[in-house]
Amino acid sequence: SQKIEQNSEALNIQEGKTATLTCNYTNYSPAYLQWYRQDPGRGPVFLLLIRENEKEKRKERLKVTFDTTLKQSLFHITASQPADSATYLCALVDQTGANNLFFGTGTRLTVIP
Amino acid sequence: DAGITQSPRHKVTETGTPVTLRCHQTENHRYMYWYRQDPGHGLRLIHYSYGVKDTDKGEVSDGYSVSRSKTEDFLLTLESATSSQTSVYFCAISESILANTEAFFGQGTRLTVV
Repeated sequence: SQKIEQNSEALNIQEGKTATLTCNYTNYSPAYLQWYRQDPGRGPVFLLLIRENEKEKRKERLKVTFDTTLKQSLFHITASQPADSATYLCALVDQTGANNLFFGTGTRLTVIP
Repeated sequence: DAGITQSPRHKVTETGTPVTLRCHQTENHRYMYWYRQDPGHGLRLIHYSYGVKDTDKGEVSDGYSVSRSKTEDFLLTLESATSSQTSVYFCAISESILANTEAFFGQGTRLTVV
């Protein structure tokens, strides 16, 4: 069956450290992978998009990697801040052509001051 | 929230009653989507629209219908609400297909079916 798994439900890290979140997928052939941030009671907010032929994408303190051999994406937040505390969702667009984002269940990140 | 308004924001309804949720956008985006979010499942696509009067089913479309009579409005109807449809519903929009661009989400509607 198709699955998108994010490494853990919750991740606590110390302020200033790098947070690394993992997204693994099974039985998908994603052409694109996206990361979103969701705060409690709010809708997801887009962060980054990476294509299958891109190994890495950066935006300010954020970095995403995409390894189609390992079927995995890593999401890094460097110099983390308490304001980075949120749930982070990975989502992929499958090559089947359907216009749909398939989401993982998310990782709740807490940055401890 | 990228000019997306969902209404109502909260609703409690009884089993068997019809319910309509509304999504209104001011961005003139072609594509609109309805997702539901449940613990342990992540966001799942119910239906989407690729233009006025053009809609298609998503992963979890049973028990739901949609209509889009204007570019800016996308309605989700539960014909006869069931307790399994208790969820948080999100509307999203995108300028083009999701392979090329991001989705913008509304604030969500929390629906409880009792």
